[in-house]
Amino acid sequence: QKEVEQDPGPLSVPEGAIVSLNCTYSNSAFQYFMWYRQYSRKGPELLMYTYSSGNKEDGRFTAQVDKSSKYISLFIRDSQPSDSATYLCAMPSMDTGRRALTFGSGTRLQVQP
Amino acid sequence: DTGVSQDPRHKITKRGQNVTFRCDPISEHNRLYWYRQTLGQGPEFLTYFQNEAQLEKSRLLSDRFSAERPKGSFSTLEIQRTEQGDSAMYLCASSLVTGQNEKLFFGSGTQLSVL
Repeated sequence: QKEVEQDPGPLSVPEGAIVSLNCTYSNSAFQYFMWYRQYSRKGPELLMYTYSSGNKEDGRFTAQVDKSSKYISLFIRDSQPSDSATYLCAMPSMDTGRRALTFGSGTRLQVQP
Repeated sequence: DTGVSQDPRHKITKRGQNVTFRCDPISEHNRLYWYRQTLGQGPEFLTYFQNEAQLEKSRLLSDRFSAERPKGSFSTLEIQRTEQGDSAMYLCASSLVTGQNEKLFFGSGTQLSVL
C-alpha cells in the first residue's frame, strides 16, 4: 500500500464550481500536511499547509484534515480557469525521519470557462 | 528573480552518456533537496543537504547518481552512464527550517530525455 493515495483525475468542472480534491494516507504518525499546485512544465508551488485536524482557510482555498479517517481534502471555491493545474498532497515521509516529503500522484484539474 | 533556479531546463542525451544538472537555491535557505518526477506521478525524494552536508539518500538513488553542494550554496546532480529509465523531470527544492516549520520551494526542474 502506498503511503499516500490520490485520485489522478482528470477532474473537469465549469468555472465557478466548488472543487473537492482528496488524499488518503496510511501512516497515522503524519503530523502535518501540505497541498502543492503544479502547472504544466513547472515545479510544484506550495498552496497550503496544516498541522492539525479541522479546517484552514486561505482565500478561495480550504484545507481539511480528518486524522481519524486519515483523509485530507482541499476545497476550491469559485473555481477559475487559472486554477487548472495538477494538485498534489504531500506529507513528511516516515522513511526519512520526516525530512523529505511523500507526495500523492496528483489530481489534474481542468476548469472550463 | 529570487526563486530556485535550475539549469538546464531540458537535456537530451544518449544512453550511456553522463549528465550534470545545477540548482541554485534561494540564498538564505539552508536545506536543499533533489526530487525526481515521472509523468503522472508525484515527485519522489532522491537526496537532501543541510548546508554542505548530504544527510540522506533515497533507495532510488543508485550508485550512478551523485550529488554535491560545495560550500552549502548551489548543488549539482550528476548521472553517470544514463539509462532510458532515468528519463524524468529532476526537481530541486530549498527550504529554511525554523522550528517545526519547513516549506519547500521548488524550481522549474530539468527535463531529462535519454534516447
